[in-house]
Amino acid sequence: GEDVEQSLFLSVREGDSSVINCTYTDSSSTYLYWYKQEPGAGLQLLTYIFSNMDMKQDQRLTVLLNKKDKHLSLRIADTQTGDSAIYFCAESQDDKLIFGTGTRLQVFP
Amino acid sequence: DAGVTQSPTHLIKTRGQHVTLRCSPISGHKSVSWYQQVLGQGPQFIFQYYEKEERGRGNFPDRFSARQFPNYSSELNVNALLLGDSALYLCASSFLRNTEAFFGQGTRLTVV
Repeated sequence: GEDVEQSLFLSVREGDSSVINCTYTDSSSTYLYWYKQEPGAGLQLLTYIFSNMDMKQDQRLTVLLNKKDKHLSLRIADTQTGDSAIYFCAESQDDKLIFGTGTRLQVFP
Repeated sequence: DAGVTQSPTHLIKTRGQHVTLRCSPISGHKSVSWYQQVLGQGPQFIFQYYEKEERGRGNFPDRFSARQFPNYSSELNVNALLLGDSALYLCASSFLRNTEAFFGQGTRLTVV
């Protein structure tokens, strides 16, 4: 099937690290993406990783890819209140992106 | 550089009407894709256009159609609107067909 799965909610304290997990289905996906969506807004591309990489770091963001288990994670270091949003992982299949249902990250002081 | 721009931002239509949504990609990008995001769900793929040709179509009825113009802008058309068509419609632009996609702010369509 085409299901990309994510947990629905994550709540963290400001300053802690957040880890958002995702499992995908298509082992032939070339790219895997993380998008952020704030209320009433479109999708903001946060980062992506090529399928031939295991890890990518970009400032506070670290993406880990386990191809064997088809598992993708996004770690946000030093989480801030401005990071509160819905985070979507997506895999590329042919000419389209398949999105998960999103993880709502809530950051409390 | 301007990002992906969509118009209008909000729209209210009546069941059975027709709607046209517009998208201008990032300058230099040749691929435009359309997605539908129903409240509480992830975006669902509708169409991809590359070099003015349809390159992919999602599981949507024939009431949905699209086209891409010579300047790479795109329109999404939906006929015979249903209440279930109420959603955020997102346009994504990418340089080539399978490179990173950048999204616009979306058009929120409400069908009453």
